[in-house]
Amino acid sequence: GAVVSQHPSWVICKSGTSVKIECRSLDFQATTMFWYRQFPKQSLMLMATSNEGSKATYEQGVEKDKFLINHASLTLSTLTVTSAHPEDSSFYICSARGGSLSTGELFFGEGSRLTVL
Amino acid sequence: AQSVTQLGSHVSVSEGALVLLRCNYSSSVPPYLFWYVQYPNQGLQLLLKYTSAATLVKGINGFEAEFKKSETSFHLTKPSAHMSDAAEYFCAVSASTGANSKLTFGKGITLSVRP
Repeated sequence: GAVVSQHPSWVICKSGTSVKIECRSLDFQATTMFWYRQFPKQSLMLMATSNEGSKATYEQGVEKDKFLINHASLTLSTLTVTSAHPEDSSFYICSARGGSLSTGELFFGEGSRLTVL
Repeated sequence: AQSVTQLGSHVSVSEGALVLLRCNYSSSVPPYLFWYVQYPNQGLQLLLKYTSAATLVKGINGFEAEFKKSETSFHLTKPSAHMSDAAEYFCAVSASTGANSKLTFGKGITLSVRP
């Protein structure tokens, strides 16, 4: 199957700093990537949909100035949590769908656990 | 709009016993249905998918699911549980296979396997 890789897997930062999480499709071109947030013992909450070369579409209630998403190439999307606060601590997961592999399913990255002190 | 209901939050079975994880969906259009598994601190891995072909779908690790339109269900089963099956399982529904089509996830079910 297709491989999606996220980096970093774990990140700890101080309150007020910004953190960037990368999501790469390693063996296919991802025209669309999705960013999710997952709280402990809960389901995935879709934050935004990003399409290569255009602005991300954010879900209702997600602050676009807080969670900056860039999808500059067909293999890379980034999520930047700006001025992070403890309530932003969470597990962030990206997923991708695209190209000849687009048969409906999403391929997920390993996730990035953010802890804001 | 689509939605998924996964009743209960936790299922516990003995090793070697049948695994049954329930999923009911709601969709205004013919649905595409998926089961994903998540191990601790990892992303999601696709177990199987229904995309309007055969109603009985076989996936990885011995899992299978049957699409029943009359019951709006897509329950996941495995004849004999292994310890390694302990994980979180998510059912998801989509309206299409288009690039921008969103997956809507259920809240997930934790499967525990007793020795």
